[in-house]
Amino acid sequence: DAGVTQSPTHLIKTRGQQVTLRCSPKSGHDTVSWYQQALGQGPQFIFQYYEEEERQRGNFPDRFSGHQFPNYSSELNVNALLLGDSALYLCASSWGTGGGYTFGSGTRLTVV
Amino acid sequence: GQQLNQSPQSMFIQEGEDVSMNCTSSSIFNTWLWYKQDPGEGPVLLIALYKAGELTSNGRLTAQFGITRKDSFLNISASIPSDVGIYFCAGLTGRGNNDMRFGAGTRLTVKP
Repeated sequence: DAGVTQSPTHLIKTRGQQVTLRCSPKSGHDTVSWYQQALGQGPQFIFQYYEEEERQRGNFPDRFSGHQFPNYSSELNVNALLLGDSALYLCASSWGTGGGYTFGSGTRLTVV
Repeated sequence: GQQLNQSPQSMFIQEGEDVSMNCTSSSIFNTWLWYKQDPGEGPVLLIALYKAGELTSNGRLTAQFGITRKDSFLNISASIPSDVGIYFCAGLTGRGNNDMRFGAGTRLTVKP
């Protein structure tokens, strides 16, 4: 039983570029949440997708957008990348929108 | 927004010792969770607490949901080298709010 799968594992982008990160939830899970984890910090909530809609959003600018597909997988898009966007991006899935999330191993994004 | 204050920031202990870490908040949470994160991995759920006063164990780990709903602690008994990692507390306010807040983490080092 595969857990949460994220791709790619590492990515280097140039300031101003756009990036798309991908997440496949754990089997049986229908909800995907995205988190940004800066070095030495705890994860910060970006947004949550359920039934292909953004259900809740954290304190992140509109440059951060997402999508959920009918098979529950999800994408995180970040436009106009800034150096400060360098972080580990974590995807977490759950059944329903409550707690008990299962996290993926993350995508390490470096913006240069 | 709700902030979680986690302490201590780091701990250096001898194998076999017991460990205690805690998390406090100025706001009420209806769910408290404890995660462990190893290098290069996403957080892994250790214990979830859903009711004020609840005391829950998972092997050598014990966590409690504070009566005021503004704090939680995690104890690890008889530490072993594989306990090394970063431990995060997280809280959910519930009532449809799925923005899971994380503490900054406690980095645990266990000396054999």
